Amino acid sequence: SQTIHQWPATLVQPVGSPLSLECTVEGTSNPNLYWYRQAAGRGLQLLFYSVGIGQISSEVPQNLSASRPQDRQFILSSKKLLLSDSGFYLCAWSGYVGSNYEQYFGPGTRLTVT
Amino acid sequence: AQTVTQSQPEMSVQEAETVTLSCTYDTSENNYYLFWYKQPPSRQMILVIRQEAYKQQNATENRFSVNFQKAAKSFSLKISDSQLGDTAMYFCAFMKPWTGTASKLTFGTGTRLQVTL
Repeated sequence: SQTIHQWPATLVQPVGSPLSLECTVEGTSNPNLYWYRQAAGRGLQLLFYSVGIGQISSEVPQNLSASRPQDRQFILSSKKLLLSDSGFYLCAWSGYVGSNYEQYFGPGTRLTVT
Repeated sequence: AQTVTQSQPEMSVQEAETVTLSCTYDTSENNYYLFWYKQPPSRQMILVIRQEAYKQQNATENRFSVNFQKAAKSFSLKISDSQLGDTAMYFCAFMKPWTGTASKLTFGTGTRLQVTL
């Protein structure tokens, strides 16, 4: 079965520091991968998606970047964090599970920028 | 562009009762997928139920069922025999079919459901 991992689970970083969040997927090949951000009490905002290694599409101009160095690895980065980067970050993958095309989410990373 | 609207920010239901969460969407597509996701306090997003637009039969997963009205662009979630563990934020989401590129989910703003004793 497919599983998706994210780490770290929680992160507190000062303004201006770098960021690296990692997401890996197991049990599937060539998945579409996504990074979402959720502000407290709000819905999900799609940040980036990727259809393959090295292929990144950005949905929202921002202080963040994404990379996909391997088929099942997706990384969210920043060179200098802003206070507004605080939030809950979710990685997701989509693909066929049996005959159903679905999207599944990782456990998320809670980022607090101080 | 697609939009998804959840008009009920908060709802409450007593344990063992039935509750219906509303969702409407706007699209020009004929084929698409609709989903309900549950986000408990742990904030893990959990897929509850899916519906393919080309299927007329409403999807059912145990105590969860949907009322899919394609012409009205409505996709409500019914939870029967509500349990305390159903307390969560519920998100309705729309996805166009996969056509070789990434299929992005468009989410509603969510409905916070509280199940009480």
